[in-house]
Amino acid sequence: DTAVSQTPKYLVTQMGNDKSIKCEQNLGHDTMYWYKQDSKKFLKIMFSYNNKELIINETVPNRFSPKSPDKAHLNLHINSLELGDSAVYFCASSQEWVNQPQHFGDGTRLSIL
Amino acid sequence: QKEVEQDPGPLSVPEGAIVSLNCTYSNSAFQYFMWYRQYSRKGPELLMYTYSSGNKEDGRFTAQVDKSSKYISLFIRDSQPSDSATYLCAMVTGTASKLTFGTGTRL
Repeated sequence: DTAVSQTPKYLVTQMGNDKSIKCEQNLGHDTMYWYKQDSKKFLKIMFSYNNKELIINETVPNRFSPKSPDKAHLNLHINSLELGDSAVYFCASSQEWVNQPQHFGDGTRLSIL
Repeated sequence: QKEVEQDPGPLSVPEGAIVSLNCTYSNSAFQYFMWYRQYSRKGPELLMYTYSSGNKEDGRFTAQVDKSSKYISLFIRDSQPSDSATYLCAMVTGTASKLTFGTGTRL
């Protein structure tokens, strides 16, 4: 069973479109995250939710909106996609929100044409 | 200057060799340290999680933390072809959940 799963794995779309990425974890963790990995493989946190509440919101454009319907799910909606949004987006989860190792999904590769 | 510095490599070693991977950091508030392995087109996989200065061993992997020098290392003994991957160090302060990653070393 996959612990942290993301859909879709690949997303190719046109500039200006709106798209969503879904994430689910079956580890029973309280905290979930979204990371962006750029072309140089650098991982940077975007958002973190603990028990459906937003606790980290890095300086990410307003076009990115996370939504957590329950503890096990954290989705990412992106409006008006731009070329610079092309990257791999990773979802992760941890048992609690402080001092815990994080477990990652396999990523969603977003390509903007 | 980045908070966490990591040599990007690539690092090439013969099979069976001992591999040493290192990170330095500037923020003395970092308390917890992790090493992740990332295969191509996969997510980072947690290898080691340490808190205190000193060594922690798990199978062929040893994580070493020196908080006074702000330096952490991962040693891989008896390296195998299956160890070929990118290794990322990550760290977090004691009061937050935000991981700060190094840029990764390709082995």
